[in-house]
Amino acid sequence: SQTIHQWPATLVQPVGSPLSLECTVEGTSNPNLYWYRQAAGRGLQLLFYSVGIGQISSEVPQNLSASRPQDRQFILSSKKLLLSDSGFYLCAWSVNSNQPQHFGDGTRLSIL
Amino acid sequence: DQQVKQNSPSLSVQEGRISILNCDYTNSMFDYFLWYKKYPAEGPTFLISISSIKDKNEDGRFTVFLNKSAKHLSLHIVPSQPGDSAVYFCAAGTRGGTSYGKLTFGQGTILTVHP
Repeated sequence: SQTIHQWPATLVQPVGSPLSLECTVEGTSNPNLYWYRQAAGRGLQLLFYSVGIGQISSEVPQNLSASRPQDRQFILSSKKLLLSDSGFYLCAWSVNSNQPQHFGDGTRLSIL
Repeated sequence: DQQVKQNSPSLSVQEGRISILNCDYTNSMFDYFLWYKKYPAEGPTFLISISSIKDKNEDGRFTVFLNKSAKHLSLHIVPSQPGDSAVYFCAAGTRGGTSYGKLTFGQGTILTVHP
C-alpha cells in the first residue's frame, strides 16, 4: 500500500533562517505531488505541484520554492523565512490528475 | 476570490442524528468534488468524491449530493457518531487537460457530535 511521510512534525525557526521540509511517498511510481499551506482558521492553499521528476509549478508568488530531486521526493524550501511563512504545511500525492489526493500529517511551522 | 466556500464555520449534532455539511462553488469549470476529514495535528483524510455527471454518491454512512444548477454540494453523515467530530473540507477541481489534479479547498466546517 502507498504511504506518505512528512518531517519534521513541528518546527520553530527564527525570522531570516533557511527552511527545508521533506516529503516522500512509498508504494507508487511517478505520483503527482503537491504542497499546501493552511493558515490559522483558513482552508488549504495550493503552493506547488509536480507531475514528474524535476518539474515544478508554482501557484502563488511567495518566499518559498519547491524541488523534486527524485521521483517520490518533494522538498519545500526557503532561503530566508518571513513571519508570514508561519502555518501548517501539508504534502499530498495522487496516482494521477483524476484521482483523489492523499495527505501527509503535515508540519507545523512557527516563525519567531 | 474564493471559488469554494463553506459558509458554516461549525456544526453541532447529537449522536445518531444526521449531519449535513454544505459547500458552494462559483467556478462552473469544476467537474470533480471531494470531501476530506481532518483531525487536529493530522493531514486531511479523503472521504468521498463525486463527478459532475452524477448528483449523488454514497459510501456507507456518507453521502454526497451535487446540485450543479445551484453550484452546491452537501455531505450527509447518517447516523452521526462522536468519532465523526473533526474539521470537514470540501474541495473542487477540474479533471483532465492541464489541470494536473489541482484542488481548490473551502475553509472547513468544524463538526462536533455530542454523545
